[in-house]
Amino acid sequence: QLQLQESGPGLVKPSETLSLTCTVSGGSISSSSYYWGWIRQPPGKGLEWIGSIYYSGSTYYNPSLKSRVTISVDTSKNQFSLKLSSVTAADTAVYYCARHGAVAPFDPWGQGTLVTVSS
Amino acid sequence: NFMLTQPHSVSESPGKTVTISCTGSSGSIASNYVQWYQQRPGSAPTTVIYEDNQRPSGVPDRFSGSIDSSSNSASLTISGLKTEDEADYYCQSYDSSNPYVVFGGGTKLTVL
Repeated sequence: QLQLQESGPGLVKPSETLSLTCTVSGGSISSSSYYWGWIRQPPGKGLEWIGSIYYSGSTYYNPSLKSRVTISVDTSKNQFSLKLSSVTAADTAVYYCARHGAVAPFDPWGQGTLVTVSS
Repeated sequence: NFMLTQPHSVSESPGKTVTISCTGSSGSIASNYVQWYQQRPGSAPTTVIYEDNQRPSGVPDRFSGSIDSSSNSASLTISGLKTEDEADYYCQSYDSSNPYVVFGGGTKLTVL
């Protein structure tokens, strides 16, 4: 079945760029009608949608993060990536990747990866 | 911006029924499907209700979802509560404008 796995540094310094990759297995990231999204969850807090990319490459970002976020897709590697610039301690969170449809639920999710912003 | 508001926490006894609400800030919550996710500590969320009232395979029929247009809210009802239902529950919907994806703030369900 489809599986997603996040990877990337667990520690990022303030003002630097957070970079994460989500590797998709068990299916093609180029499958039509699906979006590939990033969601984060600060420790002890709720879920926050960061943004999503359509299989065609169109991107949709949370307005509160839009100025700092870039999501891209690499179909040759069956991966999509997140870059979040100028990070602060407030960006410390578990970052999840997940697939979703235009109106369909986020499913499946990756296991999540904790990224801590600290010097 | 469109927002979804949930109660911070609810509690109920085993065997009882609990309902968690999710209220839309504007427009009609019935205009876009609502999903509900269960998240246990240390785990990623999983879908318990999608498209307002549909259950994924493997989710017991103790879980049900509904929409009330008069209050512009969605509800997740869990009947015959079990201790294993203790978790955080999030509603989620889509909006045609920004932000495209919206999550509710989450509700901590305690079964005691």
